[in-house]
Amino acid sequence: AQSVTQLDSQVPVFEEAPVELRCNYSSSVSVYLFWYVQYPNQGLQLLLKYLSGSTLVESINGFEAEFNKSQTSFHLRKPSVHISDTAEYFCAVSGAGFQKLVFGTGTRLLVSP
Amino acid sequence: DTEVTQTPKHLVMGMTNKKSLKCEQHMGHRAMYWYKQKAKKPPELMFVYSYEKLSINESVPSRFSPECPNSSLLNLHLHALQPEDSALYLCASSPGTAEREGYNEQFFGPGTRLTVL
Repeated sequence: AQSVTQLDSQVPVFEEAPVELRCNYSSSVSVYLFWYVQYPNQGLQLLLKYLSGSTLVESINGFEAEFNKSQTSFHLRKPSVHISDTAEYFCAVSGAGFQKLVFGTGTRLLVSP
Repeated sequence: DTEVTQTPKHLVMGMTNKKSLKCEQHMGHRAMYWYKQKAKKPPELMFVYSYEKLSINESVPSRFSPECPNSSLLNLHLHALQPEDSALYLCASSPGTAEREGYNEQFFGPGTRLTVL
Protein backbone atom coordinates (compact mmCIF):
# COMPACT_ATOMS: atom_id res chain seq x y z
CA ALA A 1 0.00 0.00 0.00
CA GLN A 2 1.05 3.59 -0.56
CA SER A 3 0.59 6.67 1.57
CA VAL A 4 1.49 10.34 1.25
CA THR A 5 2.20 12.86 3.99
CA GLN A 6 2.03 16.59 3.50
CA LEU A 7 2.91 17.94 6.90
CA ASP A 8 2.13 21.59 6.18
CA SER A 9 -1.56 22.32 5.82
CA GLN A 10 -0.86 25.96 5.01
CA VAL A 11 2.24 27.87 3.93
CA PRO A 12 2.08 31.69 3.94
CA VAL A 13 4.79 33.52 1.99
CA PHE A 14 5.38 36.96 0.58
CA GLU A 15 5.49 37.58 -3.14
CA GLU A 16 8.92 36.96 -4.73
CA ALA A 17 10.07 34.84 -1.77
CA PRO A 18 11.16 31.22 -2.25
CA VAL A 19 8.91 28.40 -1.11
CA GLU A 20 9.13 24.68 -0.44
CA LEU A 21 6.10 22.44 -0.03
CA ARG A 22 6.99 19.14 1.57
CA CYS A 23 5.81 15.70 0.50
CA ASN A 24 6.87 12.34 1.91
CA TYR A 25 5.58 9.00 0.78
CA SER A 26 5.73 5.39 1.76
CA SER A 27 5.38 2.44 -0.55
CA SER A 28 6.35 -1.19 -0.75
CA VAL A 29 6.76 -1.02 -4.54
CA SER A 30 8.28 1.34 -7.09
CA VAL A 31 6.43 4.63 -7.20
CA TYR A 32 5.40 7.33 -9.60
CA LEU A 33 4.96 10.76 -8.05
CA PHE A 34 2.83 13.74 -9.00
CA TRP A 35 2.11 17.27 -7.88
CA TYR A 36 -1.32 18.68 -8.71
CA VAL A 37 -2.48 22.27 -8.22
CA GLN A 38 -6.07 23.29 -7.58
CA TYR A 39 -7.10 26.91 -7.93
CA PRO A 40 -10.31 28.02 -6.15
CA ASN A 41 -13.46 26.45 -7.62
CA GLN A 42 -11.51 24.53 -10.25
CA GLY A 43 -10.42 20.98 -10.91
CA LEU A 44 -6.94 19.60 -10.40
CA GLN A 45 -4.18 20.43 -12.87
CA LEU A 46 -1.06 18.34 -13.18
CA LEU A 47 1.91 20.50 -12.23
CA LEU A 48 4.72 17.98 -12.65
CA LYS A 49 5.47 14.30 -12.42
CA TYR A 50 8.27 11.87 -11.73
CA LEU A 51 8.04 8.60 -13.62
CA SER A 52 11.68 7.63 -14.09
CA GLY A 53 15.03 9.06 -15.14
CA SER A 54 16.28 12.39 -13.84
CA THR A 55 15.28 12.93 -10.24
CA LEU A 56 14.78 16.67 -10.76
CA VAL A 57 11.63 17.55 -12.67
CA GLU A 58 10.47 21.00 -13.67
CA SER A 59 7.20 22.62 -14.67
CA ILE A 60 6.68 25.33 -17.26
CA ASN A 61 5.79 27.94 -14.62
CA GLY A 62 8.96 27.76 -12.53
CA PHE A 63 8.16 24.98 -10.06
CA GLU A 64 10.51 22.06 -9.59
CA ALA A 65 10.51 18.92 -7.49
CA GLU A 66 13.20 16.44 -6.65
CA PHE A 67 12.62 12.75 -6.14
CA ASN A 68 14.74 11.52 -3.24
CA LYS A 69 14.43 7.79 -2.86
CA SER A 70 16.54 7.50 0.29
CA GLN A 71 14.44 10.12 2.08
CA THR A 72 11.20 9.01 0.37
CA SER A 73 10.46 12.62 -0.46
CA PHE A 74 9.23 14.64 -3.43
CA HIS A 75 9.32 18.25 -2.22
CA LEU A 76 8.04 21.04 -4.43
CA ARG A 77 10.05 24.26 -4.72
CA LYS A 78 9.85 27.60 -6.43
CA PRO A 79 12.59 30.24 -6.12
CA SER A 80 10.23 33.22 -6.43
CA VAL A 81 6.46 32.98 -6.01
CA HIS A 82 3.73 35.16 -7.49
CA ILE A 83 0.35 36.15 -6.14
CA SER A 84 -1.15 33.92 -8.83
CA ASP A 85 0.50 30.85 -7.25
CA THR A 86 -2.00 31.02 -4.39
CA ALA A 87 -3.74 27.65 -4.56
CA GLU A 88 -4.03 24.21 -2.99
CA TYR A 89 -1.22 21.82 -3.86
CA PHE A 90 -1.66 18.05 -3.68
CA CYS A 91 1.13 15.51 -3.78
CA ALA A 92 0.06 12.10 -5.09
CA VAL A 93 1.68 8.70 -5.48
CA SER A 94 0.88 5.76 -7.69
CA GLY A 95 2.48 2.41 -7.04
CA ALA A 96 3.75 0.54 -10.06
CA GLY A 97 0.87 -1.51 -11.41
CA PHE A 98 -1.74 0.14 -9.15
CA GLN A 99 -4.62 1.98 -10.76
CA LYS A 100 -5.30 4.29 -7.83
CA LEU A 101 -3.69 7.62 -7.10
CA VAL A 102 -3.14 8.20 -3.39
CA PHE A 103 -3.31 11.86 -2.46
CA GLY A 104 -1.80 13.74 0.42
CA THR A 105 -4.01 16.00 2.47
CA GLY A 106 -2.91 19.08 0.55
CA THR A 107 -0.99 22.26 1.31
CA ARG A 108 -2.56 25.65 0.85
CA LEU A 109 -0.01 28.13 -0.48
CA LEU A 110 -0.96 31.71 0.42
CA VAL A 111 1.08 34.39 -1.35
CA SER A 112 0.65 37.93 -0.14
CA PRO A 113 2.06 41.23 -1.47
CA ASP B 1 -8.49 18.05 -27.72
CA THR B 2 -6.53 17.66 -24.50
CA GLU B 3 -9.13 18.26 -21.86
CA VAL B 4 -11.77 16.56 -19.79
CA THR B 5 -15.13 18.32 -19.79
CA GLN B 6 -17.88 18.02 -17.19
CA THR B 7 -21.49 19.16 -17.20
CA PRO B 8 -23.18 20.80 -15.49
CA LYS B 9 -20.81 23.11 -13.65
CA HIS B 10 -23.27 23.59 -10.82
CA LEU B 11 -26.23 21.46 -9.72
CA VAL B 12 -28.74 21.99 -6.94
CA MET B 13 -31.11 19.12 -6.23
CA GLY B 14 -33.57 17.97 -3.63
CA MET B 15 -33.28 14.69 -1.82
CA THR B 16 -36.02 13.10 -3.94
CA ASN B 17 -34.63 14.21 -7.31
CA LYS B 18 -32.87 12.13 -9.93
CA LYS B 19 -30.07 13.82 -11.83
CA SER B 20 -26.97 12.88 -13.81
CA LEU B 21 -23.45 14.25 -14.06
CA LYS B 22 -21.65 13.90 -17.37
CA CYS B 23 -17.99 13.65 -18.23
CA GLU B 24 -16.36 13.50 -21.64
CA GLN B 25 -12.84 13.16 -23.00
CA HIS B 26 -11.54 12.87 -26.53
CA MET B 27 -7.93 12.03 -25.80
CA GLY B 28 -8.37 8.32 -26.50
CA HIS B 29 -7.92 7.52 -22.83
CA ARG B 30 -9.07 4.09 -21.78
CA ALA B 31 -9.56 4.63 -18.05
CA MET B 32 -11.98 7.08 -16.42
CA TYR B 33 -12.62 7.98 -12.80
CA TRP B 34 -15.14 9.64 -10.50
CA TYR B 35 -13.96 11.43 -7.39
CA LYS B 36 -15.77 13.27 -4.63
CA GLN B 37 -14.06 16.25 -3.00
CA LYS B 38 -15.23 18.01 0.13
CA ALA B 39 -13.96 21.48 1.00
CA LYS B 40 -10.32 21.63 2.09
CA LYS B 41 -9.88 17.87 1.54
CA PRO B 42 -8.17 15.80 -1.14
CA PRO B 43 -10.27 14.01 -3.76
CA GLU B 44 -11.73 10.65 -2.69
CA LEU B 45 -11.92 7.97 -5.34
CA MET B 46 -15.41 6.62 -6.01
CA PHE B 47 -15.27 4.55 -9.20
CA VAL B 48 -12.80 3.50 -11.88
CA TYR B 49 -13.69 2.30 -15.36
CA SER B 50 -11.01 0.56 -17.40
CA TYR B 51 -11.77 -0.21 -21.02
CA GLU B 52 -15.43 0.61 -20.34
CA LYS B 53 -15.74 -1.93 -17.53
CA LEU B 54 -16.14 -1.03 -13.88
CA SER B 55 -12.88 -2.07 -12.25
CA ILE B 56 -12.99 -0.32 -8.88
CA ASN B 57 -15.95 0.61 -6.69
CA GLU B 58 -14.82 2.12 -3.42
CA SER B 59 -17.87 0.92 -1.48
CA VAL B 60 -19.90 3.87 -2.68
CA PRO B 61 -23.60 3.98 -1.60
CA SER B 62 -26.02 2.73 -4.24
CA ARG B 63 -27.61 6.17 -4.55
CA PHE B 64 -24.59 6.87 -6.81
CA SER B 65 -24.70 4.83 -10.00
CA PRO B 66 -21.94 5.12 -12.61
CA GLU B 67 -22.32 4.37 -16.28
CA CYS B 68 -19.80 4.25 -19.11
CA PRO B 69 -21.69 4.28 -22.44
CA ASN B 70 -18.47 4.32 -24.47
CA SER B 71 -14.77 4.98 -24.09
CA SER B 72 -15.23 8.76 -24.23
CA LEU B 73 -18.18 9.20 -21.90
CA LEU B 74 -18.73 8.65 -18.20
CA ASN B 75 -21.94 9.42 -16.35
CA LEU B 76 -22.81 9.47 -12.68
CA HIS B 77 -26.50 8.99 -11.94
CA LEU B 78 -27.73 10.44 -8.68
CA HIS B 79 -30.88 9.43 -6.81
CA ALA B 80 -32.16 10.08 -3.28
CA LEU B 81 -29.04 11.90 -2.21
CA GLN B 82 -28.42 13.27 1.25
CA PRO B 83 -27.23 16.76 2.20
CA GLU B 84 -23.85 15.30 3.18
CA ASP B 85 -23.38 14.31 -0.47
CA SER B 86 -22.93 17.98 -1.32
CA ALA B 87 -19.42 18.29 -2.72
CA LEU B 88 -17.33 18.92 -5.82
CA TYR B 89 -17.50 15.88 -8.11
CA LEU B 90 -14.45 15.45 -10.29
CA CYS B 91 -14.02 13.29 -13.33
CA ALA B 92 -10.58 12.20 -14.53
CA SER B 93 -9.13 10.07 -17.28
CA SER B 94 -5.82 8.34 -17.89
CA PRO B 95 -4.24 7.01 -21.08
CA GLY B 96 -4.34 3.41 -20.00
CA THR B 97 -4.30 1.28 -16.93
CA ALA B 98 -1.50 0.95 -14.45
CA GLU B 99 -1.37 -2.76 -15.15
CA ARG B 100 -0.51 -2.08 -18.78
CA GLU B 101 1.34 1.23 -18.61
CA GLY B 102 3.05 0.75 -15.26
CA TYR B 103 1.92 4.17 -14.13
CA ASN B 104 -1.26 6.14 -13.87
CA GLU B 105 -1.22 9.82 -14.89
CA GLN B 106 -4.66 11.26 -14.49
CA PHE B 107 -6.16 14.30 -16.21
CA PHE B 108 -8.95 16.04 -14.31
CA GLY B 109 -12.01 17.93 -15.43
CA PRO B 110 -13.18 21.18 -13.80
CA GLY B 111 -15.76 19.44 -11.65
CA THR B 112 -19.46 19.74 -10.90
CA ARG B 113 -20.38 21.60 -7.73
CA LEU B 114 -23.33 19.65 -6.27
CA THR B 115 -25.60 20.99 -3.55
CA VAL B 116 -28.24 18.71 -2.05
CA LEU B 117 -31.03 20.48 -0.21
